[in-house]
Amino acid sequence: QVQLQESGPGLVKPSGTLSLNCAVSGGSISSSNWWSWVRQPPGKGLEWIGEIHHSGTTNFKPSLKSRVTISVDKSKNQFSLKLTSATAADTAVYYCASSYCSGGMCYMPSWGQGTLVTVSS
Amino acid sequence: DIQMTQSPSSLSASVGDRVTITCRASQSINNYLNWYQQKPGKAPKFLIYAASSLQSGVPSRFSGSGSGTDFTLTISSLQPEDFATYYCQQGYSTPFTFGPGTKVDIK
Repeated sequence: QVQLQESGPGLVKPSGTLSLNCAVSGGSISSSNWWSWVRQPPGKGLEWIGEIHHSGTTNFKPSLKSRVTISVDKSKNQFSLKLTSATAADTAVYYCASSYCSGGMCYMPSWGQGTLVTVSS
Repeated sequence: DIQMTQSPSSLSASVGDRVTITCRASQSINNYLNWYQQKPGKAPKFLIYAASSLQSGVPSRFSGSGSGTDFTLTISSLQPEDFATYYCQQGYSTPFTFGPGTKVDIK
């Protein structure tokens, strides 16, 4: 299975842009996988943010769609998340994950270790 | 969006106990249901896909069942390393959604 590692600033100012990268190793980002972002506010449950295929096709959680961009950089074998107009409600541990789909069924077998992003002035 | 619920929200059990967690979807999702285990400060670990298929390396004491809207995760004999929070997730359609989690702790 692939390994994933998130990176990016741990502190973002309110109204700023949250930007994270996810480096993929042990496999190509141009595989049949999709690549997802999931977040978890402190002490709360898991929230799927969105996903991207290496072709550039994306899917997003509707309530976040207007603020989220997910992109792929094949040359670096990584994908990225940008979340604009950040507020304290966006404070969470952000995970990147591989997302595998077969026969209409999708699941997330591999996850990064997660990175805490705090939105605060 | 498909809403996922889980019950109970938490439970206390002893080593060796049989534990069952229930997950319900707001509409039929066939058998497109996954289970994850999460320990404090760690990333979720993928356990089961397609309601009942064990991910490679997951102990056989874990099992899943169900289809349509109702699903269960069973741990046949709880081990010390199984104390964690368990999440179900529908893999039927985007936006993918998770249940709120069931925390299993030591009695």
